[in-house]
Amino acid sequence: EIVLTQSPGTLSLSPGERATLSCRASQSVHSRSLAWFQQKPAQAPRLLINGDSNRATGIPDRFSGGGSGTDFTLTISRLEPEDFAVYYCQHYDTSLALTFGGGTKVEIK
Amino acid sequence: QVQLVQSGADVKKPGASVKVSCKASGYNSIAYYIHWVRQAPGQGLEWVGRINANGGATYSAQNFQGRVTMTRDTSSSTVYMELSGLRYDDTAVYYCASHQYGSGNPDFWGPGTLVTVSS
Repeated sequence: EIVLTQSPGTLSLSPGERATLSCRASQSVHSRSLAWFQQKPAQAPRLLINGDSNRATGIPDRFSGGGSGTDFTLTISRLEPEDFAVYYCQHYDTSLALTFGGGTKVEIK
Repeated sequence: QVQLVQSGADVKKPGASVKVSCKASGYNSIAYYIHWVRQAPGQGLEWVGRINANGGATYSAQNFQGRVTMTRDTSSSTVYMELSGLRYDDTAVYYCASHQYGSGNPDFWGPGTLVTVSS
């Protein structure tokens, strides 16, 4: 079973700054299987990035995803006030079993 | 637009079972999967299992095998997740989430159902 490790646990930044979130897999994952979600308090997760690097419908272009193999990154180019939230990476295997990372909280500095 | 509507919050005693429903609308065909993901208070996301809305095939996380049953009613586009042998640490918000064939990243999520296990 693949384990996803996200870092850092918490990222303290100011609006307008760039955020770089990491997701590392315990073994190489198949191409286009990695996604990123944003979750705000008392809300369901929202898909941001699927297939490793494709923005989901309606997601602003300040969000970008990249990486391959075991190392993946979510970048928010310039933080807007509404971007302060918890972010999760997610992988699926060939059985469509899902695995989530532990999350990174992006908080206002 | 795809929408997932879940049943309301529930309170159960330890050892009991809970059944949560998720009704899907907006899909043009039945070629999609429904996943169940839970989130304990203040914790991260944990995958419970998934069901193929078309064929009904299910697959669950090892932690839940033997305790979770997922079914579907194609006539009403509703899937159900029943969790038995409830423990206090099963207290969580249970989300259903869906994606079409060809993907494995859920793009639509229900609002969540709070299940509280309390004596």
